[in-house]
Amino acid sequence: EIVMTQSPATLSVSPGERATLSCRASQNVRSQLAWYQQKPGQAPRLLISGASTRATGIPARFSGSGSGTEFTLTISSLQSEDFAVYYCQQYYNWPPWTFGQGTKVEVK
Amino acid sequence: QGQLVESGGGVVQPGRSLRLSCAASGFTFRTYVMHWVRQAPGKGLEWVAAIWHDGGDKYYLDSVKGRFTISRDNSKNTLNLQMNSLRAEDTAVYYCARELEYGSGSYSVWGQGTTVTVSS
Repeated sequence: EIVMTQSPATLSVSPGERATLSCRASQNVRSQLAWYQQKPGQAPRLLISGASTRATGIPARFSGSGSGTEFTLTISSLQSEDFAVYYCQQYYNWPPWTFGQGTKVEVK
Repeated sequence: QGQLVESGGGVVQPGRSLRLSCAASGFTFRTYVMHWVRQAPGKGLEWVAAIWHDGGDKYYLDSVKGRFTISRDNSKNTLNLQMNSLRAEDTAVYYCARELEYGSGSYSVWGQGTTVTVSS
């Protein structure tokens, strides 16, 4: 099973600042990596697939990078609606399809 | 884009059964791999089960293998999860999810979730 590790657990950022979230895979997952955003009481929303391809309707301030075992989600200028929990997920080696434990982006 | 609506959650005693359903609309259901993903209270996301577009292949999380059964009815655009021998650790919000495209493995459409509570 591929273990996904996200850091930090909590990121405190002021609105308008850049946020950088990390995700590490225990094995090579090539570019088979997705990022999701989840707000309280809501289902997750796909932001990025293929490590760097934004999903339909996702603003350009969200960008993904990386391949292999190291990945990054960058939010270039945090808006109020971006404060949420973010999960990475690998879909290269399955089953199981595995998620990271999440990074909470909170207001500084 | 599509819509998924789960139903069937509730409070159930340990050892009992529950059947979840997920109604799909707005896309060609029979062409997509479908998954169940759960989230325990205050915890992260955990994949539970997957079923191929034609129902031919099914995969399960080790901890639910032998207790849960995923199925689909492509004529009714419905995904199901039969959960038997439920345990307290199965308590979670259960989401059905559709892959972005066939075989992609990322989930672009999610239901709103249905809550399962296993408690005596």
